[in-house]
Amino acid sequence: GESVGLHLPTLSVQEGDNSIINCAYSNSASDYFIWYKQESGKGPQFIIDIRSNMDKRQGQRVTVLLNKTVKHLSLQIAATQPGDSAVYFCAEDGGSNYKLTFGKGTLLTVNP
Amino acid sequence: DGGITQSPKYLFRKEGQNVTLSCEQNLNHDAMYWYRQDPGQGLRLIYYSQIVNDFQKGDIAEGYSVSREKKESFPLTVTSAQKNPTAFYLCASSPRLVDPDTQYFGPGTRLTVL
Repeated sequence: GESVGLHLPTLSVQEGDNSIINCAYSNSASDYFIWYKQESGKGPQFIIDIRSNMDKRQGQRVTVLLNKTVKHLSLQIAATQPGDSAVYFCAEDGGSNYKLTFGKGTLLTVNP
Repeated sequence: DGGITQSPKYLFRKEGQNVTLSCEQNLNHDAMYWYRQDPGQGLRLIYYSQIVNDFQKGDIAEGYSVSREKKESFPLTVTSAQKNPTAFYLCASSPRLVDPDTQYFGPGTRLTVL
């Protein structure tokens, strides 16, 4: 059978709906967090970042929320579009600015 | 047009051969990184360099080698000692002397061992 590790968490939404993608991070010393978007066969693209002294940060159609108490990060995408379909993953710096730890990612599929 | 370029996009290697993946950046970034991505897994750090003529091993450096002779360039050699080299390889760079020090990625090279 296939390895469980090959299966990413998936989120399927209708075009125009809001999407929420979650990430649990591991290191309480992490000070800086980044969300990346990766389309099939391409390199990751920076979306938005947040420092640990903030709870929320907004960009264009995207919002990142940080809950340090439970070590949880979320990415909210408003009015999701077909072009938003991709794998989204979070990264934490673990207190070190050169060694990011990356999550495995969530596959977002937007249905027209 | 600033950015990070990687070449080639696809690379095929026979067992026992060494191959070199190119990474160039014109962002004037001090730090550069090489990651490996396998299906369903997070990115894993192979090597990183924070300044010219200096580099350090990451978490999975065995079977790989790098050089950093120029600020703009950080080539990765996948040697025949790497037991499972088939993967998607990503290069990244970051300014280093700014806070936060965000990493930006190139388009990747897909290496397949035949």
